[in-house]
Parts: sequence; C-alpha cells; structure tokens
Amino acid sequence: AQTVTQSQPEMSVQEAETVTLSCTYDTSESDYYLFWYKQPPSRQMILVIRQEAYKQQNATENRFSVNFQKAAKSFSLKISDSQLGDAAMYFCAPTASGTYKYIFGTGTRLKVLA
Amino acid sequence: EAQVTQNPRYLITVTGKKLTVTCSQNMNHEYMSWYRQDPGLGLRQIYYSMNVEVTDKGDVPEGYKVSRKEKRNFPLILESPSPNQTSLYFCASSFQYRSNEKLFFGSGTQLSVL
Repeated sequence: AQTVTQSQPEMSVQEAETVTLSCTYDTSESDYYLFWYKQPPSRQMILVIRQEAYKQQNATENRFSVNFQKAAKSFSLKISDSQLGDAAMYFCAPTASGTYKYIFGTGTRLKVLA
Repeated sequence: EAQVTQNPRYLITVTGKKLTVTCSQNMNHEYMSWYRQDPGLGLRQIYYSMNVEVTDKGDVPEGYKVSRKEKRNFPLILESPSPNQTSLYFCASSFQYRSNEKLFFGSGTQLSVL
C-alpha cells in the first residue's frame, strides 16, 4: 500500500524568508511522480510543483523547489522569498502508475507573517 | 475556459435525505474522481472513473455511489446521508490516469448533514 506523511500540521514563516515543508512517502512502485498542491482560503486546489521519480535533478518553479531524496523517500517543498499569498494549506501527493489512485498527505498549513 | 464545474458549492441537508453533487468537466478528460477533505485527514479518494461506464472504489467508498454515463459528467450520490458524511468534497479530473498527470479540481462542495 502507498502511504504519505506530512509531519508538520502547521508552520509559520516571516515574509521574505525561506521555509521548507516536509513529506515522506512509502511505495513499492518504481514508476511514480510526486506533486505538491496548494489550497488557499478560496479552497481551490492549485498545482505548485511536480517531480518525476526517475529524475535525479530536483524540480524548480520560480520560488518553489523540491528536495527529492529517493532512497529516503522524502519529498520536501522549499519556498523562497515567502509572500503573503503563499499562506495556504499544502498537500503532498505521490502517485504511482499501477494503482490508479491519487494519495494525499494530511496537509501542512502555512502561515506567512508580515 | 477549461474547468471542472461542481455544484452546489454549499449544501445543508438532513439525515437520510438523498442528495446528488454534480461534477462536469469540459476538457474531454477520461479520468475523474471524488475526494472528501476532513481536518487532519487530508484528501481521501471516494471513487474514481477511468472512462465512461468504468468506475472503481477509492479508499472511503462506503455510503456513496457514482455513475459515469457520459464522459463529461461524474455525479456523486449520497442515498442516505449521515452526519459523518459532513465534509468538504472535491471532484477532479485528468486527461488519463498516468502517474505524471496533474489533477484539475472543482471548487469544492461543503456538505453539512444534520
């Protein structure tokens, strides 16, 4: 079975600072992708970043980057130069090709302090 | 505009009164799915559909029904709602299920069962 753990229910960061949200997962699949989704107060789910498990290079999207440690099954999200608009719930979601299911973590609520 | 349309956005009902939450996508996506979001539990998959007339259970299917008679529509049916089904529900779709496909989400339905 595939599982995912986000061990930080809530985090805070000062505006313009950097914060890292952690995610660990467990899967027996060899072909999988890892996603981070953001859910602002509007409730809309927004894709933040995506990482292919077969790629060693960490994905980057502007101020968002991941630290993917395949052997440790860790997929953390780093947000640089945090902005007030980054305040949201963040969900980690590994997906494996063989299960036809998307599994989400329990989420980390990020607060950005002005 | 490419979107997943989910209705209603808010719904209050009473125990035992059948209800349907509608979901429609205009992107010709094959894969559609339903999730419920509860505090501390993240998003959990209720049902998913690989294509027309093909549906399967997710992790929490008890008390729910779905149908996929047309490619664009994937309604969620609660035949006899109970208070433990009070939750935030999301419909989502993707072109196909592959592990690299991101999900497009509806705007959510906040359901309260009294």
